[in-house]
Amino acid sequence: GIQVEQSPPDLILQEGANSTLRCNFSDSVNNLQWFHQNPWGQLINLFYIPSGTKQNGRLSATTVATERYSLLYISSSQTTDSGVYFCAVTAGGSYIPTFGRGTSLIVHP
Amino acid sequence: SQTIHQWPATLVQPVGSPLSLECTVEGTSNPNLYWYRQAAGRGLQLLFYSVGIGQISSEVPQNLSASRPQDRQFILSSKKLLLSDSGFYLCAWSRGTSGSSEQYFGPGTRLTVT
Repeated sequence: GIQVEQSPPDLILQEGANSTLRCNFSDSVNNLQWFHQNPWGQLINLFYIPSGTKQNGRLSATTVATERYSLLYISSSQTTDSGVYFCAVTAGGSYIPTFGRGTSLIVHP
Repeated sequence: SQTIHQWPATLVQPVGSPLSLECTVEGTSNPNLYWYRQAAGRGLQLLFYSVGIGQISSEVPQNLSASRPQDRQFILSSKKLLLSDSGFYLCAWSRGTSGSSEQYFGPGTRLTVT
């Protein structure tokens, strides 16, 4: 099956810093999502982005499908950005997403 | 708009007791439904998924079972809980008939087996 790798596994920032999270996948995909799991466990949809670039406030994402990677940019980080960021992809018409192991982000005040 | 509910939010159960976790989706019809477990650490493990009433696929053989008695209801059960069943259980849905649709998660149930 398709492999999904996220990097870095852990990231510690000071409030106000910028960061880039990466998701590499091993095959063509027809769906790619970024999620933020907050400290209470809720998985929040950030972007549905099988290709192209999207922006939502301080967050933006870019997926280069031909090169099999996606990037999540967080600018001017805040303590509320802390949590785990997951990338999930679906390939070949499957209903089953494959999740990466996540990037754990801690933002210090 | 669509919403997904899970209950209970937290549960503490003794080893050997039964389990029933419920998930319901509102505002859509014929959704794909999923049960995930997240143990200590980060990984999400898919347990079951369903593309329609009575249609359940199991991804991991284990002490759990799932049922879909109604279009927008998904139930996770166990007859006898094990310590290893502890974890955070998440229900999710996506629009049916498409493998490329967005997935949405419920708030989760935190299960501790003592």
